[in-house]
Amino acid sequence: EVQLLESGGGLVQPGGSLRLSCAASGFTFSSYAMTWVRQAPGKGLEWVSGISTGGGSTYYADSVKGRFTISRDNSKNTLYLQMNSLRAEDTALYYCAKELEVAGLFDPWGQGNLVIVSS
Amino acid sequence: DIVMTQSPDSLAVSLGERATINCKSSQSVIYSSNNKNYLAWYHQKPGQPPKLLIYWASTRESGVPDRFSGSGSGTDFTLTISSLQAEDVAVYYCQQYHSFPYTFGQGTKLEIK
Repeated sequence: EVQLLESGGGLVQPGGSLRLSCAASGFTFSSYAMTWVRQAPGKGLEWVSGISTGGGSTYYADSVKGRFTISRDNSKNTLYLQMNSLRAEDTALYYCAKELEVAGLFDPWGQGNLVIVSS
Repeated sequence: DIVMTQSPDSLAVSLGERATINCKSSQSVIYSSNNKNYLAWYHQKPGQPPKLLIYWASTRESGVPDRFSGSGSGTDFTLTISSLQAEDVAVYYCQQYHSFPYTFGQGTKLEIK
């Protein structure tokens, strides 16, 4: 069974940093692109960032470009999202998701990890 | 960016009745090279992460009941639930995966009447 377990979220002050992790199991992690999608409280879904199988290609939403960095460690089956210069509008539940063989299709998703940016 | 707009924002349907959700993209999500619509549907049940239901606008993901169907092409798409079950209560999202940034509709909340 595919499992994705996010961690690393919490409360951080504006301008601060956090690193999210997503531990994957139940599939050959290194064979699949991965992605982060976030959901602000009571709001819809916003794609944040994606990374290719080997990590050589990364993609970002304009809202996080230059502040967030996606990476992966295939030896540890783990996906990361380094978030710097955090803003109140980054407050959200952050999901990691496995991309299917077709780029841009996400399934399954983790349970999500809450990030709150507030003073 | 491709803007995805769903209608209605919320919908109440009786058990066993048909539910229809619409999704419109600000530009075509068809790739001419393969004539495929890069449009997916997800649902998100309360307290759970989203789950993929349909891709290529009309292909059901493995394990998705056949009461769920997708249709449409180009910029206008529809998700239909032929006979609503209690477990279908959720927020439904369309998503385009034609181009970066991938974008979702604002969601349609489906409830039981």
